[in-house]
Amino acid sequence: EPEVTQTPSHQVTQMGQEVILRCVPISNHLYFYWYRQILGQKVEFLVSFYNNEISEKSEIFDDQFSVERPDGSNFTLKIRSTKLEDSAMYFCASSDGTSGYTDTQYFGPGTRLTVL
Amino acid sequence: RKEVEQDPGPFNVPEGATVAFNCTYSNSASQSFFWYRQDCRKEPKLLMSVYSSGNEDGRFTAQLNRASQYISLLIRDSKLSDSATYLCVVNPGNQFYFGTGTSLTVIP
Repeated sequence: EPEVTQTPSHQVTQMGQEVILRCVPISNHLYFYWYRQILGQKVEFLVSFYNNEISEKSEIFDDQFSVERPDGSNFTLKIRSTKLEDSAMYFCASSDGTSGYTDTQYFGPGTRLTVL
Repeated sequence: RKEVEQDPGPFNVPEGATVAFNCTYSNSASQSFFWYRQDCRKEPKLLMSVYSSGNEDGRFTAQLNRASQYISLLIRDSKLSDSATYLCVVNPGNQFYFGTGTSLTVIP
């Protein structure tokens, strides 16, 4: 069964450093998403991406964040100048686009980011 | 007002019991609805979509009441493997909004 994959599974970084989280969405999917989940809290939407551009972003997704689809398979989230409060699990998701943004989304296993 | 509200629980039920979870949402224009399940420190996994007419998948039944902006999930004949956090998810058309989740523990 096709699945979303994410690397690394755990990233530890120093405050102020830049990190890139990587995702490989399901191959025929057209819509891509990033979410984060701070430990003990709910899953929060960050950004959606379609047709090589951001289609929606939340208040959390400020200038510190950027996304990119550098090739036909990878979808990345870059966090510049990390802060302690960026420590969270980051989930990538994708959907096939049959019904636009209302489709079922399939989630990757997540990258646990720890900022020290 | 929160986009999606759920009773966080925890619900502790014996094996074989029937348990129901409820969820309310604030955006009346919401278009799609889902229940996801999340095991500890894992990703959310789709349990089932929720359709206007209600739908059933084995031991799981989901109901949607658009007038009351209310979604429910019923689990019959609970199994130990049903222990997880159940996430109510609502999409008004542009993004998923997650509830905080309801924790279920099924006890032998």
